[in-house]
Amino acid sequence: EVQLVESGGGLVQPGGSLRLSCAASGFSLSNYGMSWVRQAPGKGLEWVSSIIGSDIYYADSVKGRFTISRDNSLYLQMNSLRAEDTAIYYCAKDLWAYYDILTGYSPFDHWGQGTPVTVSS
Amino acid sequence: DIQMTQSPSSLSASVGARVTFTCRASQAIGNYLAWFQQKPGKAPRSLIYAASTLQSGVPSKFSGSGSGTHFTLTISSLQPEDFATYYCQQYNTFPPTFGGGTKVESK
Repeated sequence: EVQLVESGGGLVQPGGSLRLSCAASGFSLSNYGMSWVRQAPGKGLEWVSSIIGSDIYYADSVKGRFTISRDNSLYLQMNSLRAEDTAIYYCAKDLWAYYDILTGYSPFDHWGQGTPVTVSS
Repeated sequence: DIQMTQSPSSLSASVGARVTFTCRASQAIGNYLAWFQQKPGKAPRSLIYAASTLQSGVPSKFSGSGSGTHFTLTISSLQPEDFATYYCQQYNTFPPTFGGGTKVESK
């Protein structure tokens, strides 16, 4: 059974840093694209970053401040945090292994429960 | 970036009703369209991908259709557990983008 469990969220001052983790089980993390998606309070879903094989993508709003990585877990290093980064952060798994994708990209299938990040002084 | 527009933003319906809502893309995305359900305080749940293919375990009361720029999600017979917010998302190109959501409320 696939499970994704995020951790590392919390309250941080503007300009501070946090490192989010997403512990994955039930599949081989290195074989699947993984993403971070966030949701600001009362707002919709916003894609943040993805790692697919050796390819990495970032939303313009976080480029240069956030870094996605993975070893046995998925991580999101968040630096220079701003008030507008306040959100629940979800990790999401791709449906297809990256080497099985012939064209385009994979949709998500599983999501974690989310970890809240609050940026405030 | 591809803009995704959902309509209506909210709707009220009764248990047993058939409901349909729409997602439009600002440019053609083929069938690279997914639908998600989210209940208050919960993580999103993947419902449909490739515009019309149900994710594993998703009941057949959900159905999706469309291609190009116009897509729909239909719930054939609304049940109490279906009151939630539904989001569409295109994954044709990066960045993947979500619609603003349609909130389905009880009438």
